[in-house]
Amino acid sequence: AQTVTQSQPEMSVQEAETVTLSCTYDTSESDYYLFWYKQPPSRQMILVIRQEAYKQQNATENRFSVNFQKAAKSFSLKISDSQLGDAAMYFCAYRRLKKKLVFGKGTKLTVNP
Amino acid sequence: GAVVSQHPSWVICKSGTSVKIECRSLDFQATTMFWYRQFPKQSLMLMATSNEGSKATYEQGVEKDKFLINHASLTLSTLTVTSAHPEDSSFYICSASWVSSGLTDTQYFGPGTRLTVL
Repeated sequence: AQTVTQSQPEMSVQEAETVTLSCTYDTSESDYYLFWYKQPPSRQMILVIRQEAYKQQNATENRFSVNFQKAAKSFSLKISDSQLGDAAMYFCAYRRLKKKLVFGKGTKLTVNP
Repeated sequence: GAVVSQHPSWVICKSGTSVKIECRSLDFQATTMFWYRQFPKQSLMLMATSNEGSKATYEQGVEKDKFLINHASLTLSTLTVTSAHPEDSSFYICSASWVSSGLTDTQYFGPGTRLTVL
């Protein structure tokens, strides 16, 4: 069974600094998708970024970028120029096409002013 | 785009009553909808997956007679918690997705419903 591991239960960063959240996963498949979701205190799950496994180029969305290492089964999220609004729970997730989404346990990010 | 709504956002009910939660995809047709449950400070737990016009597929350990799911159209799915008890109190989240040209079928989430059973 596929598993997703987020080894950092909590992280903190100073406003305007950069932080990296770690995620590793276990799968025997070659075609799959990886996601980072953000859940702020409102509890609304928001898609931050997604990566198709067949793409070698790392996905980027404004201040958010990933370091996708397929062989190492690693999918870290880098947040640049951190803002107070980035404070949230971040969930890494894995999914094969048309299969269920598998979530990690989450990393709570605190942004200090 | 890709907005999912849920109604109600919170509900309080008495033990033994039934509660219905609606999930709507507002600007797309959702081929598949998902229902999750989230306990405080925990990750999301998938309860069931539903495709429009067919019966929902429930995860192991989820009582299908207690958590009734209907996916009557491509934009609406409902979760009914029947004969609710205090242990059913939780945060319920739906999500919706569609398959487009074989690309990733990303899930978009609703804002969630907080259920409190007295």
